[in-house]
Amino acid sequence: DVVMTQSPDSLTVSLGERATIRCKSSQSVLYNSNNKNYLAWYQQKSGQSPKLLIYWASTRESGVPDRFSGSGSGTDFTLTISSLQAEDVATYYCHQYFNSPLTFGGGTKVEIK
Amino acid sequence: QVQLRESGPGLVKPSQTLSLTCTVSGGSTSGGSYYWSWIRQPAGKGLEWIGHIYSSGTTKYNPSLKSRVTISVDTSQNQVSLNLNSVTAADTAVYYCARESRDALIDNWGRGTLVTVSS
Repeated sequence: DVVMTQSPDSLTVSLGERATIRCKSSQSVLYNSNNKNYLAWYQQKSGQSPKLLIYWASTRESGVPDRFSGSGSGTDFTLTISSLQAEDVATYYCHQYFNSPLTFGGGTKVEIK
Repeated sequence: QVQLRESGPGLVKPSQTLSLTCTVSGGSTSGGSYYWSWIRQPAGKGLEWIGHIYSSGTTKYNPSLKSRVTISVDTSQNQVSLNLNSVTAADTAVYYCARESRDALIDNWGRGTLVTVSS
């Protein structure tokens, strides 16, 4: 299985400040034939199902605010919230869809300072 | 916009079979563009992919659960089902139905249903 390791486990950030979440995969999720990284990010608010934010490591899902951005390639990825808003309080998960079984990171809980 | 709704018993006894149904609206399980997946999340913990099914009936399961899991599809009812047998307390979780693209990207989730395994 591809193991996804996220850091930190939790993050406390002031409103308007930047939040950075890292995700490392135990093997590359870059498919050389199409040069795409099979890496997605989800946001899960308390009591809700996960919501897709980013796919192909850096493509924002329709309707997702542009303060959310994804970067990285191969085995190392980052989700950045450029200016944290109150509605961004949630747990964020990275997810690889390169290999079966599909796997997720352990999650990063983002709170307001 | 596709909507997924999970349904089934909220309480299952140990050693019995957990059975859930996912009803798909606004989309078709018989179309060739998507897989239909089950994912679970124990309280306060992370996400575990259980497996998926294609409209043809082809399935793929997580090896960690493969011996106990069956996923099936009823395209006439636009429903996907999950059976997990020989359950224990470790199977207590919120179970999500989800849509998975042909690239395996999970792009749409149901609201989830809590299943508790307890006598």
